Amino acid sequence: GAVVSQHPSWVICKSGTSVKIECRSLDFQATTMFWYRQFPKQSLMLMATSNEGSKATYEQGVEKDKFLINHASLTLSTLTVTSAHPEDSSFYICSARDMGPQRTGELFFGEGSRLTVL
Amino acid sequence: AQSVSQHNHHVILSEAASLELGCNYSYGGTVNLFWYVQYPGQHLQLLLKYFSGDPLVKGIKGFEAEFIKSKFSFNLRKPSVQWSDTAEYFCAVNGNNRLAFGKGNQVVVIP
Repeated sequence: GAVVSQHPSWVICKSGTSVKIECRSLDFQATTMFWYRQFPKQSLMLMATSNEGSKATYEQGVEKDKFLINHASLTLSTLTVTSAHPEDSSFYICSARDMGPQRTGELFFGEGSRLTVL
Repeated sequence: AQSVSQHNHHVILSEAASLELGCNYSYGGTVNLFWYVQYPGQHLQLLLKYFSGDPLVKGIKGFEAEFIKSKFSFNLRKPSVQWSDTAEYFCAVNGNNRLAFGKGNQVVVIP
């Protein structure tokens, strides 16, 4: 299947700093990518939909100034957690939809990025 | 917005037992339905999906799911589990261009 890669897979940072997480579709182009957040023993919560060449669409309750999303190319979306605080510690997962002729809009997920804010 | 319910977060069973995981959703429009699995230390990956047609869907590794529109359900089944089926299973519903996930079922298969 198609491959979506996230980097870094684990990051530890100090409170107040900013952290950037990258999501790449390695063998297909993705006009749309999705960013999820997963708390321990809870479901994935959609944070925002990242659209190539335009502004991201944020879900209700997600601070867009806190979680900056950039989708500059068809294979790369980035999530920047600005001025991170301990409560931002979580597992962030991206996904991309492969809309190629052999697919039916199936979502492929990155391996996730674990953020720990001290 | 749609919501997805999965019950019995923790399921423990022995090898060769049958498995059924319930998934109910609330959304009145047209939906696409998915089951994803996350094995320990691995990515989420697709088990099976329903878009249209036969409501009984067969997926990888012997899993199947049945879409019952009247019950807003998409339950996952496997007749005989193996130790390697130990994983977390997520039901997801795509309606109105939004994909919502259930809270997941942690399944542990004892050899």
